[in-house]
Formats: sequence, C-alpha cells, structure tokens
Amino acid sequence: DTGVSQNPRHKITKRGQNVTFRCDPISEHNRLYWYRQTLGQGPEFLTYFQNEAQLEKSRLLSDRFSAERPKGSFSTLEIQRTEQGDSAMYLCASSLAGDSGNTIYFGEGSWLTVV
Amino acid sequence: GQNIDQPTEMTATEGAIVQINCTYQTSGFNGLFWYQQHAGEAPTFLSYNVLDGLEEKGRFSSFLSRSKGYSYLLLKELQMKDSASYLCVENTGFQKLVFGTGTRLLVSP
Repeated sequence: DTGVSQNPRHKITKRGQNVTFRCDPISEHNRLYWYRQTLGQGPEFLTYFQNEAQLEKSRLLSDRFSAERPKGSFSTLEIQRTEQGDSAMYLCASSLAGDSGNTIYFGEGSWLTVV
Repeated sequence: GQNIDQPTEMTATEGAIVQINCTYQTSGFNGLFWYQQHAGEAPTFLSYNVLDGLEEKGRFSSFLSRSKGYSYLLLKELQMKDSASYLCVENTGFQKLVFGTGTRLLVSP
C-alpha cells in the first residue's frame, strides 16, 4: 500500500494519560499535515511540516500537543495529559510541494477516545 | 469551517443530478478542493480548481468563479454509494486547507 498510513487506527485512553500517533506519508511527499476532526465538523488544521521543519502551528495546538518529523519522513503527534475534549479523529495528510495538481492525500485517521 | 458556506444536507434520488454549492472567502485564495468523506473514513480527493470554469471528471464536475467566491460540485447519474459528506475546501496558501463543515448527501432509491 503506497498511501498515507496512520497508526494506531483506534485508541481509547484514560484522561490524563499520554498518547502518540504515527503517520507515514506517501514516500516522495515532502509536506505532511495533521488535522483534527470532530463529529459533524470538517477537519481543522493543526500543523504542517515541509521536510523536517515544522512551518506552521494552529492555535488549536495547545502546549499539551507536540508534533515531530525528525527525518523528514514519518511524523508523530503526541498528546500529553489527555482530556475528554481531545476525543476526535486525528488525520494525517501529505503532498508534494510543486505538484501542479496540489493534491493532498489523507490517511484513514486515528480515532482517539478519552474516557 | 471558517468562511466556508455550504448547505448542511441535501437529498436526491438514484440516477438524478445534484449540485452542491459553496461560497468562500476570496482573500488569500489559492485554490479550491472538493473532497468526499464517508462516515468514519478519511476524506478522499475529488477535484481541485484554481482557474475559473468547469472541470469535468467522469460523473463529477466542479466549477469555480473566483470573482464571486463561488464553487459548485455537480454529481450526475447518482448512485447509492454517492451518499456521503462533500467537503468544500479552500487552499489559503502553502496548502493550508480550510474545510467547510460539509454537505451530507443522501441518495435514495
């Protein structure tokens, strides 16, 4: 499978615990994005990387959230001290800068439930 | 989604044609996407418009008018599997996407 891969697909955690999600983008894609989606809403932008550099972060991304892309390939999104409001689907997407189609491809998402 | 306006819900019958309209904020505009999203799944790419006019791709077409801040997605020969949410998405630069809340389309027999 050469699409965007995310894991785990589902995570149930107790409030206060830390969770980490991983995203493997399409191999030649240099841009990687994280979005969050709650029920009935469209995805909301969290952050994006070009290669290993984190170029933009949404103000939605509180201090409890951190994202990394250390080698410019896969990325991790960590949420510390989870809260019930963090329950959502976390979507990763990737694209190729300069691609004339500008297509952004999404992974299947990681569902987080905080109980 | 901020500054993206599209109907919340639409219904249509199998075999029919449906048009989903979207208006967006024109400042900082760098292109407009349409994505399809089935419940519990990730959005999948349908179309991308940068220039004015109609882009046709099989049963799906997308139209853009930059001066009016307006786009529509046209679905022809509707099938049951087309029941999904359709997200109007603005590229506001550096491919930072602003999503609408989506239009839930229900196709009935």
